[in-house]
Parts: sequence; C-alpha cells; structure tokens
Amino acid sequence: DGGITQSPKYLFRKEGQNVTLSCEQNLNHDAMYWYRQDPGQGLRLIYYSQIVNDFQKGDIAEGYSVSREKKESFPLTVTSAQKNPTAFYLCASSIEGPFNQPQHFGDGTRLSIL
Amino acid sequence: GENVEQHPSTLSVQEGDSAVIKCTYSDSASNYFPWYKQELGKGPQLIIDIRSNVGEKKDQRIAVTLNKTAKHFSLHITETQPEDSAVYFCAASIRDDKIIFGKGTRLHILP
Repeated sequence: DGGITQSPKYLFRKEGQNVTLSCEQNLNHDAMYWYRQDPGQGLRLIYYSQIVNDFQKGDIAEGYSVSREKKESFPLTVTSAQKNPTAFYLCASSIEGPFNQPQHFGDGTRLSIL
Repeated sequence: GENVEQHPSTLSVQEGDSAVIKCTYSDSASNYFPWYKQELGKGPQLIIDIRSNVGEKKDQRIAVTLNKTAKHFSLHITETQPEDSAVYFCAASIRDDKIIFGKGTRLHILP
C-alpha cells in the first residue's frame, strides 16, 4: 500500500544535540511538507518542497533544516538552535504543490527533551 | 496577519445527531478549503475538501458549505457514529503561497 512513513515514532533529544526525523513516501508525490503540532494548536508549517533539490521555509523554520535529495525522502533536522523542540512532528505529501491539493500525512514523530 | 478561526473547540453530540463545525478565514484570496480528521496518536486524514468555485459538497454523511462573501466554511456530519469521535481541523490555502490551519475541534459522540 502506498503511504508516508515517519520514523522513529518517539525521539528524545539531549540539550545541544541535533536530531533527524525521517519521512519517506511511495506515493510518487512531488510536494512534501513538515508541520509542527503543539497541544491545542493547529498545524504550523516548518518547511516544504515542491520538487527534488528545492525547498522553502514555512512560518516557523528557525532552528530547523531539511534536504530533498530524492523524491521519496524529506528528512527534517531539529538543531540545537531550536530552543523549544518538544512537539509532535508531522510529514505530509501531495501530488503537486504547494498547498492546493489534498495532503497525505504520516503518523508523526513525538520529540521530547531529556 | 492571516488567520483561520475554528469553533467550537470542543463539541459533544448524542449518537445519531448532527454535528457542525465552523471556520472563518481572513484572506479573501484563499481558494482551497480542506477538512482533516485526526485520531489519537495518528496523522490527520483528509475527509472532504472544497474549492472556491463551489458552494457545497457532500460525501455520504459528510458535507461542507462555503460562503465566500462571509469568508466562512462549515463541516456538517449527519447521523453521527462512535467512530466519528476525533479532532477535526479546517484549513484555508492559497496556491503557491500559504496554508493555514484552524486550532481544531474535539468531537465527542455520546452513547
């Protein structure tokens, strides 16, 4: 079955450490997205990519970085510069983008600080 | 700045009754309005969407209405069932520019 796979499901970060969240899709979608979800809040866009080797900052990109070397993969790195990284992170993709097509979401990675 | 307001934040309805969730957006250039359902520990799943050239769309027990003049759109769920219990998010987007999500509505279906 086609879909989006996020790993790991849970991740713990120590102070000063960078961590990378994985996102893989086999839907052959061009566009991919990363969102952050905090309790009681809507989804906030971190980064998005319309095609391979291209990505754009979203509303809350500070302290995060991404790469898009393959169509199927869009990893997110949470750097030590992100002072409040505890959140639920969601990856999504759409057949084309950005923003005006249905998005397919993974089941998220929950990041916590040790 | 641009905003999407979603109401209510929590909604409890008796099984079999209807549920209505309303969203208001601020940017009149918005032209795509999806609704997502999120179950505990899972990612959101699209349940219905509507584009700005349409006033209403229905899919079985779920319908969405759009009023561009008033800049609001609503989700209607009829004959609610226990499996409808979840958090529902609306969003408003402008192609190539942005997407903004509401803060969500937690829907409880009471037995």
